[in-house]
Amino acid sequence: EVLLVESGGGLIQPGGSLRLSCAASGLTVSSSYMRWVRQAPGKGLEWVSIIFARGSTYYADSVRGRFTISRDNAKNTLYLQMDSLKSEDTAVYYCARDWEDSPYYYMDVWGRGTTVTVSS
Amino acid sequence: DIQMTQSPSSLSASVGDRVTITCRASQRISSYVNWYQHKPGKAPKLLIYAASNLHSGVPSRFSGSGSGTDFTLTINSLQPEDFATYYCQHSYNTLITFGQGTRLEIK
Repeated sequence: EVLLVESGGGLIQPGGSLRLSCAASGLTVSSSYMRWVRQAPGKGLEWVSIIFARGSTYYADSVRGRFTISRDNAKNTLYLQMDSLKSEDTAVYYCARDWEDSPYYYMDVWGRGTTVTVSS
Repeated sequence: DIQMTQSPSSLSASVGDRVTITCRASQRISSYVNWYQHKPGKAPKLLIYAASNLHSGVPSRFSGSGSGTDFTLTINSLQPEDFATYYCQHSYNTLITFGQGTRLEIK
């Protein structure tokens, strides 16, 4: 069974840092395109970041310069380092595999999410 | 960035009804549209990819169509488990965006 399990969420003060993890089983993070997507309370889904199999990374404008996506191939785990957190970063954060079915891409495996609350 | 405008934002329907959700892209994006179902506390679920392809394991009452800028998701014969929020998403480039979502509620 292919599974993604997020962890690391919690309550953090504005300006603080948090690192989210996404442990994968049944798929290889290092050879996959992996994304972080978030959902703020009462809002829709918002893409946050992607890491390609070759290691290149991209970020949404709202988090660029503050968030860093990375992976540990030995642990088969995806990470999202979140620095300089703002109240508007409060959301459920999901990791997902972005599957290539050339020329199309779609997120076919998702975790259940981890909740980040930024508040004083 | 490509904007995805989804409508309606909410919809009330009964079990057995047929419903249609639409999504309009701010530029032509061929068939680079995916549709997801999301229930509270659960992982989003892929329904349709490349505008009209049913993902493995998804019931055939779900279908998608469209190309260019206008896309639709249709659910035939609504079942109780279909009441959820639905999102379109473009995959035309790396900087993907989602529609605002359509909340499907029981009438």
